[in-house]
Amino acid sequence: DAGVIQSPRHEVTEMGQEVTLRCKPISGHNSLFWYRQTMMRGLELLIYFNNNVPIDDSGMPEDRFSAKMPNASFSTLKIQPSEPRDSAVYFCASSRDYNEQFFGPGTRLTVL
Amino acid sequence: GQQLNQSPQSMFIQEGEDVSMNCTSSSIFNTWLWYKQDPGEGPVLLIALYKAGELTSNGRLTAQFGITRKDSFLNISASIPSDVGIYFCAGLTTDSWGKFQFGAGTQVVVTP
Repeated sequence: DAGVIQSPRHEVTEMGQEVTLRCKPISGHNSLFWYRQTMMRGLELLIYFNNNVPIDDSGMPEDRFSAKMPNASFSTLKIQPSEPRDSAVYFCASSRDYNEQFFGPGTRLTVL
Repeated sequence: GQQLNQSPQSMFIQEGEDVSMNCTSSSIFNTWLWYKQDPGEGPVLLIALYKAGELTSNGRLTAQFGITRKDSFLNISASIPSDVGIYFCAGLTTDSWGKFQFGAGTQVVVTP
């Protein structure tokens, strides 16, 4: 079975531009998590969904960040407008019923 | 950010040596997960633990769920060069609704 799929793997953009990160969870998983990883702060949970419904978005840093899960097989994380401090690796993870989480390969975002 | 205390932060060992690391907290957990992350990749799930006192192996890796339910340990026996990477613990409390807490990671470097 395919694991969690994320795209793009790398994104370089200029400050002020909109960035959209995409995630396809493992088929059959009903929970989806968006994380951000930096050297300074480690892994931070941004938001998670259960059965396509956002459960906790308290980790979303600012209103510039938004996430959607229109169906069980797709989620997006959008940053608008992007800033250099948003540069990080963004991971999507999925699980079945809040158990073992499986991570995608990540999207390395660089905002110039 | 991290809420679990993971130690050590880094380990430099020789090939063939055993490695031990642990995660502790003041909270009580009902699930512990251990991950390994290679450079440029997402964390890969190694072992999942669900019961206090549980001891689970995955090849040369052995993890234990502490009997107090506040800690967990990971051991790597007879290390080899491909064991290099960052190892993370993740814990889930009963009232966290799927929101895992992550340790800061243990960087393992294996020299021939």
